Amino acid sequence: NAGVMQNPRHLVRRRGQEARLRCSPMKGHSHVYWYRQLPEEGLKFMVYLQKENIIDESGMPKERFSAEFPKEGPSILRIQQVVRGDSAAYFCASSPPSAEAFFGQGTRLTVV
Amino acid sequence: ELKVEQNPLFLSMQEGKNYTIYCNYSTTSDRLYWYRQDPGKSLESLFVLLSNGAVKQEGRLMASLDTKARLSTLHITAAVHDLSATYFCAVERYNQGGKLIFGQGTELSVKP
Repeated sequence: NAGVMQNPRHLVRRRGQEARLRCSPMKGHSHVYWYRQLPEEGLKFMVYLQKENIIDESGMPKERFSAEFPKEGPSILRIQQVVRGDSAAYFCASSPPSAEAFFGQGTRLTVV
Repeated sequence: ELKVEQNPLFLSMQEGKNYTIYCNYSTTSDRLYWYRQDPGKSLESLFVLLSNGAVKQEGRLMASLDTKARLSTLHITAAVHDLSATYFCAVERYNQGGKLIFGQGTELSVKP
């Protein structure tokens, strides 16, 4: 059973471009969480999704950020018109209902 | 709002010494986690603590939970260089659907 798969592992974008981060949960996991880790900081919750539903997006910036978890395929975190302050590591975690979540390897986004 | 605070944030230890990292949280929790993160890597789950008085040990690390004091500790016994990493505690509340609130992290450096 493969772990939580994130890709790409590293992503470089110029200011103003779009960034798309993908997360494939572990087999049998229906819950996906996205977290952001700024340099030298802890992880901050962004969004919690189940298939085709956003359950809690209280940690998502109001503009430029969106997330989805379609019926088929990976969860996507999309950042439009990236700025330097978006440079961070973005981690995805997945879990079955009411069980411990497991983290992916993360995507390190650098905005130049 | 649930807040999680760790201390110390930085810890430099000599090999063979003992030390404790503290994790305080502001409201009731249902599960408390300890993670290890090496530079540029993902989070490795160390312990999950569920109930008051829970104590778990793995090698030189021991974690405990006091839900009445809203405090968890991670005790390091006879530190070795391989334990150098950043350690995070995180708190989960079931009524928030599995979302984790992280502490700031404790950067541990073990020197010969």
